[in-house]
Amino acid sequence: SQQGEEDPQALSIQEGENATMNCSYKTSINNLQWYRQNSGRGLVHLILIRSNEREKHSGRLRVTLDTSKKSSSLLITASRAADTASYFCATDLIAGGTSYGKLTFGQGTILTVHP
Amino acid sequence: NAGVTQTPKFQVLKTGQSMTLQCAQDMNHEYMSWYRQDPGMGLRLIHYSVGAGITDQGEVPNGYNVSRSTTEDFPLRLLSAAPSQTSVYFCASSMGQGGYRTYNEQFFGPGTRLTVL
Repeated sequence: SQQGEEDPQALSIQEGENATMNCSYKTSINNLQWYRQNSGRGLVHLILIRSNEREKHSGRLRVTLDTSKKSSSLLITASRAADTASYFCATDLIAGGTSYGKLTFGQGTILTVHP
Repeated sequence: NAGVTQTPKFQVLKTGQSMTLQCAQDMNHEYMSWYRQDPGMGLRLIHYSVGAGITDQGEVPNGYNVSRSTTEDFPLRLLSAAPSQTSVYFCASSMGQGGYRTYNEQFFGPGTRLTVL
């Protein structure tokens, strides 16, 4: 089964509103990443947060990580129609202190921002 | 830099045919991987490589082979295509460094849309 699970599966908002997407995972991680995928395109990296970090910002993006709850959230502030895309979280698993060196992706949240 | 390139962009195969999906990167990245993406699903890891000459299986390796003879190239071979392999295939690469392999962001290619009839 997928390591990361996003919630909600789909989100529809108006331009200017904030969008929040959540990701839960099951096992210890080295880092967690968020990616964006426009329809018919490859994934583009948005932000990486390491297991010893709790919050990270990049432009209109804010990511939080709660390792005790094994969850992360991605907040997009002041959304724009161009933010319409699918958003995926991906985790880098570790076991015994060593990263396996591979990412596990969630199923994604489809965000639609209406003009 | 071209980044990660994939060829072909589209491919239609008949059941039982074999083919190779090409992936190349010009960023001198150690780590390369292949994913498949099915409708409404996230990406599932097929095979990955942490350097030339080193490959390993991911979540869904059956029916696929890989090799890594150079740092730049990481081809994915479908041995005998089946309709269940109809999917979009993405290749990705990242720097990968250190004993923890604490690697950075993955750079994705544009994908190959494969249909198996």
